[in-house]
Amino acid sequence: DAKTTQPNSMESNEEEPVHLPCNHSTISGTDYIHWYRQLPSQGPEYVIHGLTSNVNNRMASLAIAEDRKSSTLILHRATLRDAAVYYCIPTAQTGANNLFFGTGTRLTVIP
Amino acid sequence: GAVVSQHPSRVICKSGTSVKIECRSLDFQATTMFWYRQFPKQSLMLMATSNEGSKATYEQGVEKDKFLINHASLTLSTLTVTSAHPEDSSFYICSFSLNYGYTFGSGTRLTVV
Repeated sequence: DAKTTQPNSMESNEEEPVHLPCNHSTISGTDYIHWYRQLPSQGPEYVIHGLTSNVNNRMASLAIAEDRKSSTLILHRATLRDAAVYYCIPTAQTGANNLFFGTGTRLTVIP
Repeated sequence: GAVVSQHPSRVICKSGTSVKIECRSLDFQATTMFWYRQFPKQSLMLMATSNEGSKATYEQGVEKDKFLINHASLTLSTLTVTSAHPEDSSFYICSFSLNYGYTFGSGTRLTVV
């Protein structure tokens, strides 16, 4: 499993953009970069994933560095419901292997 | 889509008894699924991987005779914690693999008293 480094915690004001960084310098060439988030007392929730190109969906955007050694999850307008622990997880193949959860980034959204 | 129903959400049991946790996919079928547990203020830790119709593969340190996994169909898996002890108190989460990633149950908080 590729090792990841994420800030332990971050804060954002409500309705402001949030950039959550992740370093995954040992990522292999075939690893996808997945992001999940876990709200308090809930199971994790899929946010977004990508391989090389930047990705957008209704929840967030994923910016992947050209060398793929880092990525940034972008929440365009943070809401109180976005307060959660965000996990960046490189994984070898979608759906085939378990996800290895690191410590993640705890995002606090300030009203 | 990709809705997972996990029950119960919360259970308290006496030490020495067994508890069954059910995880059901409501609108999809999945061959592979995973069971995780999460202790307070810690991250998720994989317990076992199971494929429908096959025996589960357990992670090192997870007792297969204590944590019984039954993955009898493409939409249902159960985890039974046998002879539960207080140290088994944790948050148990199931997960199914999909073609784009993974979906998770809402978790079961087990408290053994």
